[in-house]
Amino acid sequence: DGGITQSPKYLFRKEGQNVTLSCEQNLNHDAMYWYRQDPGQGLRLIYYSQIVNDFQKGDIAEGYSVSREKKESFPLTVTSAQKNPTAFYLCASSDLGRGVLKKTQYFGPGTRLLVL
Amino acid sequence: EDKVVQSPLSLVVHEGDTVTLNCSYEVTNFRSLLWYKQEKKAPTFLFMLTSSGIEKKSGRLSSILDKKELFSILNITATQTGDSAVYLCAVDPSGGGADGLTFGKGTHLIIQP
Repeated sequence: DGGITQSPKYLFRKEGQNVTLSCEQNLNHDAMYWYRQDPGQGLRLIYYSQIVNDFQKGDIAEGYSVSREKKESFPLTVTSAQKNPTAFYLCASSDLGRGVLKKTQYFGPGTRLLVL
Repeated sequence: EDKVVQSPLSLVVHEGDTVTLNCSYEVTNFRSLLWYKQEKKAPTFLFMLTSSGIEKKSGRLSSILDKKELFSILNITATQTGDSAVYLCAVDPSGGGADGLTFGKGTHLIIQP
């Protein structure tokens, strides 16, 4: 089955702790994205990557870090510098081939992060 | 700053009603507007609109874009309880989705039996 998987489904973080959210895709997509969703809010872009070993900050990158060592994987680390990490985190991926529709972003099932 | 505004933020209707959801945008660059449906978890893709005045249709759902007035509407006819969800509008300002999408806050639609 082709798709995007995120783990864990729920994650609890203690004060001062770094936690890492996993995102894997087997769609052979070039680009991957991380979004954060707060209750009653739309999605806000944290980081994105168009190619292996390269990534760019989105609108709310502070307190987060990412890596893109493999095309299929784009883990997100929520660091202790992120003071309000409780949110729903969504990973997405898209092709960068020719044609606008090919570039549509598809989403994983999400990880809900809660602070203890 | 790019901005996408959806209205209403929430809507409660009865099964069988027709609903219209609105999305207006102000972005520096525009290539496409997307609609997603979100039921608890991952948003699922509904439509991508790039050209003005061309209606996209899928069953009871349809959407149209007005690039002159900078808005889009999503119509759902003969609503069913399974249509209950948050409907998200997003704009691709980059010319390919490669730089990430700008989302509105969503419209929370509740269909009562």
